[in-house]
Amino acid sequence: QVQLQESGPGLVKPSQTLSLTCTVSGGSISSGDYYWSWIRQHPTKGLEWIGYIYYDGNTYYTPSLKSRLSISLDTSKKQFSLNLYSVTATDTAVYYCARTSLYGVLDYWGQGTLVTVSS
Amino acid sequence: QSALTQPPSASGSPGQSVTISCTGTSSDVGGYNYVSWYQQHPGKAPKLMIYEVTKRPSGVPDRFSGSKSGNTASLTVSGLQAEDEADYYCSSYAGSNWGVFGGGTKLTVL
Repeated sequence: QVQLQESGPGLVKPSQTLSLTCTVSGGSISSGDYYWSWIRQHPTKGLEWIGYIYYDGNTYYTPSLKSRLSISLDTSKKQFSLNLYSVTATDTAVYYCARTSLYGVLDYWGQGTLVTVSS
Repeated sequence: QSALTQPPSASGSPGQSVTISCTGTSSDVGGYNYVSWYQQHPGKAPKLMIYEVTKRPSGVPDRFSGSKSGNTASLTVSGLQAEDEADYYCSSYAGSNWGVFGGGTKLTVL
């Protein structure tokens, strides 16, 4: 059974960098059958796909965050990470990581982690 | 890319059926048979309920079914149960711009 677990600080100061890591267990992160995605959900709002990374390092970032976003992969640790730079209060959200099929099906999700941007 | 359009709310009594729509364009919903539906209970992560328009992952009750006509996909929940009360989100593959969600529908079981 594939499991994903997000980790990282729950509080980040404005203008700093939000850094999260997703650890994958029960399956291979090096398989070309899947992408590895980050999704966020603002309080009481809907889901927003932030971006994803493929096993070969190719990435896609949503246009609205592209200038502040970086997603990386460490296959030896079975982890992928999110860095969101120069954060503001509008980046406060629950952040999820998820395994994603080649046609965008998010079949396994982490439990989510709330990140609050505040001084 | 624009979000897919869902009604903000839907409701039904136990045992009834309810259908939630998800409207996109020919560039996403209408162009591909890769529509998914997710169920989210409060404070929980979303759960995949339907993928590739009509397919159910193992463990999802057959009370949940999906369909598509043109640019609109639909999720039908038959035989409503109290535990079906949740938020439901659709998403669609959109080619090189994939990663589009609907705004979500809050399903209330009366």
